[in-house]
Amino acid sequence: QVTLRESGPALVKPTQTLTLTCTFSGFSLDTSGMCLTWIRQPPGKALEWLARIDWADDKYYSKSLETRLTISKDTSRNQVVLTMTNMDPVDTATYYCVRVPLQEGYYMDVWGQGTTVIVSS
Amino acid sequence: QSALTQPASVSGSPGQSITISCTGTSIDVGIYKYVSWYQQHPGKAPKLVIFDDSNRPSGVSNRLSASKSGNTASLTISGLQGEDEADYYCSSYGRRSGWVFGGGTKVTVL
Repeated sequence: QVTLRESGPALVKPTQTLTLTCTFSGFSLDTSGMCLTWIRQPPGKALEWLARIDWADDKYYSKSLETRLTISKDTSRNQVVLTMTNMDPVDTATYYCVRVPLQEGYYMDVWGQGTTVIVSS
Repeated sequence: QSALTQPASVSGSPGQSITISCTGTSIDVGIYKYVSWYQQHPGKAPKLVIFDDSNRPSGVSNRLSASKSGNTASLTISGLQGEDEADYYCSSYGRRSGWVFGGGTKVTVL
C-alpha cells in the first residue's frame, strides 16, 4: 500500500522559512520513473503545483515561486523535504505531497492527507 | 488566475448527467498533452479519477467518463448521486510550466 504523510509546523511567522517533510512508504523514489511533487491549496481556492523531484534527483519548480523553493530527497529515509523561504500570509494553505508515476504518465496517483500551514505574526 | 478554465459550479438532480468543461490552450490541453481530473470532498485530499484524458483508475465509478476535443477537456458524471457532490479539478502538464490546474468546479446534487 502506497502512503504519503506530510509533516511540519502548523504556524509560521512572516519572513520565516517553512520546512515540510513528506514521509512515504510502499514504493521507492530510487525506482526509475518515480517522482514526488508538492501541491498547495489556499483556503477555498484552487490547487497549485510547487515543485517536483525525480528518481534521478532532477528538480523542477513553479516559475512563480522558484526563487523561494528548495526540494530534496533522502531515499534511505523515504523522505522528501520542501523548504519555502520568506513566508507571507498569502502562503497560508494546505500543502500536499503527491506521487507521480512518470513511467506511466504525468498524473498524480496518490496524495498525502495534507498539512495545513498558517502564516501569521 | 488559473491556467485552465472551468465553470465555478455545476448542479444536477439525482440520476441526471452533468458535464464539466476544462478549457486551455494548445500548449497545455491540446494535442499531445494529457489531462487528468481530481475529485475533492470537503476537508479531504484530492483523488485521481481520470488520467490520460479518458482513463479511469481502478476503483473509480464507471459513471465518470472524460474526453478531449481540441483545447477543451470534459468530465461527465452520469446517474448523478449524492456521493458525487464535491469539487473537481482538471490538470495538465507542460514541460515549461509544470503542472497547471483549473480553478475547480463545485458539483452540487440538488
